[in-house]
Amino acid sequence: EIVLTQSPATLSLSPGERATLSCRSSQSVSSYLAWYQQKPGQAPRLLMYDVSNRATGIPARFSGSGSGTDFTLTISSLEPEDFAVYYCQQRNNWPRTFGQGTRLEIK
Amino acid sequence: EVQLLESGGGLVQPGGSLRLSCAPSGITFSDYAMTWVRQAPGMGLEWVSTVSGRGDATYYADSVKGRFTISRDNSRNTLYLQMNGLRAEDTAVYFCAKGGHNSYYDYWGQGTLVTVSS
Repeated sequence: EIVLTQSPATLSLSPGERATLSCRSSQSVSSYLAWYQQKPGQAPRLLMYDVSNRATGIPARFSGSGSGTDFTLTISSLEPEDFAVYYCQQRNNWPRTFGQGTRLEIK
Repeated sequence: EVQLLESGGGLVQPGGSLRLSCAPSGITFSDYAMTWVRQAPGMGLEWVSTVSGRGDATYYADSVKGRFTISRDNSRNTLYLQMNGLRAEDTAVYFCAKGGHNSYYDYWGQGTLVTVSS
């Protein structure tokens, strides 16, 4: 099973700042990595797929990079609605796996 | 507009059974793999199971293999998750999601809560 490790567990930033979230895989997932955003009481929302492609309706302040085992989600300038939990997920191997999440909180 | 509506959650005793349903609208159901993902209270996301568009390929997490069965009825546009031998650790919100075979989960239901407790 591929283990995805996200860091940091919690990130405290202010609106307008840049956020950098990391996802490291226990083995290569090629470019088959996605990011999801989840707000309290809501279902997750697909943000990025295949590392760097924004899903429908996702603003350009979100970007993704990386390959193989190290991946990054960057939010260039935080908006109030961006404070949430973010998960990475791989579809290179079965079983599909998610990272444990990074909580992005308002400082 | 794509919508996924789950139903069937509730309180069940350990060892009991429950069947979840998910009824998507706004998509050609048989064209897409479908997936169940769960989230225990206060915890992260856990992939549970995926079924191909035709229903001829299924995949399971080790934690549910042999106890849960995913299926679909394309004539009724409905996805199912039959859960047998339920344990306390199966307590979670269960989400159905579109996609999962060669794609990601681009649409999600609102989730249905399953509580396993005596």
